[in-house]
Amino acid sequence: DTAVSQTPKYLVTQMGNDKSIKCEQNLGHDTMYWYKQDSKKFLKIMFSYNNKELIINETVPNRFSPKSPDKAHLNLHINSLELGDSAVYFCASSQESWGSPTGELFFGEGSRLTVL
Amino acid sequence: KQEVTQIPAALSVPEGENLVLNCSFTDSAIYNLQWFRQDPGKGLTSLLLIQSSQREQTSGRLNASLDKSSGRSTLYIAASQPGDSATYLCAVTGGNNRLAFGKGNQVVVIP
Repeated sequence: DTAVSQTPKYLVTQMGNDKSIKCEQNLGHDTMYWYKQDSKKFLKIMFSYNNKELIINETVPNRFSPKSPDKAHLNLHINSLELGDSAVYFCASSQESWGSPTGELFFGEGSRLTVL
Repeated sequence: KQEVTQIPAALSVPEGENLVLNCSFTDSAIYNLQWFRQDPGKGLTSLLLIQSSQREQTSGRLNASLDKSSGRSTLYIAASQPGDSATYLCAVTGGNNRLAFGKGNQVVVIP
C-alpha cells in the first residue's frame, strides 16, 4: 500500500501550458506539503497545508496554486509554465498538531516536470 | 534563516567500512532533525527522526546523534554494504515549522 502517492510521475509539456500534479496520502495525517527539488538536488518547501488550511506559502510565483479538497489530498496547479519550472516536485505528509511539529515526514516518489 | 550544511558532499568507501556523515545547522532552536535516504529517481525515505529533547536514535546498523547546542548531527552507518549507496539528506524542523534540508551526502559503497 503506497502511503503518499503522486500522479503523474513524469510530465513533459510546452512553455505556456497549464498542468496539475495530484497527491494523496492514506496515512491519516493532518499536514501535507509540496517541495521542489531543482537540478542541483536542493529541496525547498513550497507550500504546507494543515487540515485543508494553507499554513506555509513560501516565495513562490502565484502561477503555482495548491488546492486541498480534503486533508488526504493536496494538488498543485501550475499556470503558464516556464522553463525554470522544470524540476522534481515532491509531496509529503506528517502527523502533527500545528505548533508542535514532531511528526516524521513521509514523501511521495516525486513528479518530474520537464518544460520544453 | 536556518541553513543546513552536509559534509562531505560525496564520498566513496569500500564495503565493510563504517560511514560517518555530518550535518550542521545554524539555528539551534529546532523541534526535530530527520535523516533521509534518496535513491536516484526516487522519493525520500525517512531513516531516523530525533526530537529536540533526544541525543540519539538507533535503527539497525544506523545511529544518529544530535548536539543541539553546537548545531550538529552525525549519521553513522556500521559495516557499509553496496545497498547503502544513495544520497543521505539531513533536515531540521525549525521554530517557524519549516523543514530546512541540506544538499545531501552522496555515498558510494564499493564492493
